[in-house]
Amino acid sequence: GQQVMQIPQYQHVQEGEDFTTYCNSSTTLSNIQWYKQRPGGHPVFLIQLVKSGEVKKQKRLTFQFGEAKKNSSLHITATQTTDVGTYFCLSLDSNYQLIWGAGTKLIIKP
Amino acid sequence: DAGITQSPRHKVTETGTPVTLRCHQTENHRYMYWYRQDPGHGLRLIHYSYGVKDTDKGEVSDGYSVSRSKTEDFLLTLESATSSQTSVYFCAIPDRANTGELFFGEGSRLTVL
Repeated sequence: GQQVMQIPQYQHVQEGEDFTTYCNSSTTLSNIQWYKQRPGGHPVFLIQLVKSGEVKKQKRLTFQFGEAKKNSSLHITATQTTDVGTYFCLSLDSNYQLIWGAGTKLIIKP
Repeated sequence: DAGITQSPRHKVTETGTPVTLRCHQTENHRYMYWYRQDPGHGLRLIHYSYGVKDTDKGEVSDGYSVSRSKTEDFLLTLESATSSQTSVYFCAIPDRANTGELFFGEGSRLTVL
């Protein structure tokens, strides 16, 4: 079936550094959502992108949907300890099937 | 937050025993989903339901069955648990406004010894 590749699997950063995770598909996506899962918690919805080239911001988080609607990114500026967790993308493909990325785990170096 | 609860939250069982996990929602939503989450695999769909007595398989349905006799309850059963079914199980429902957002339960951590 269709897949969405999410990279990297892990990212270690110093507090205050930036973090980015990417989701890439070989086919056009109807939309893309981003979720955050804190350690030991459950996924929590962050945002949904629908339009080609869409950019949305939530404080230090910037979400982008590619022009071809085949890729998306989540960028966190100046990470804080509260950002620790795993970030997942979820997309709806052209057949209206839900496809999850495998997640990127954000780890803050001590 | 959407009203969705899972039980039990933690369970340890032995290989070969049956296990049932319950998902309960108070949102009266047609759709309910069961996922399992394992390191390196993200969330994988086990089964989903689109109404009372209407269910379908997901990508990792082998070894699992489900039932939905009431709108509010979606049960996941492992008829004979195996160690490979040790995982965290999440139930999810879409939001009431049908924006596509999913709300998740707190999860059920199952260990099969």
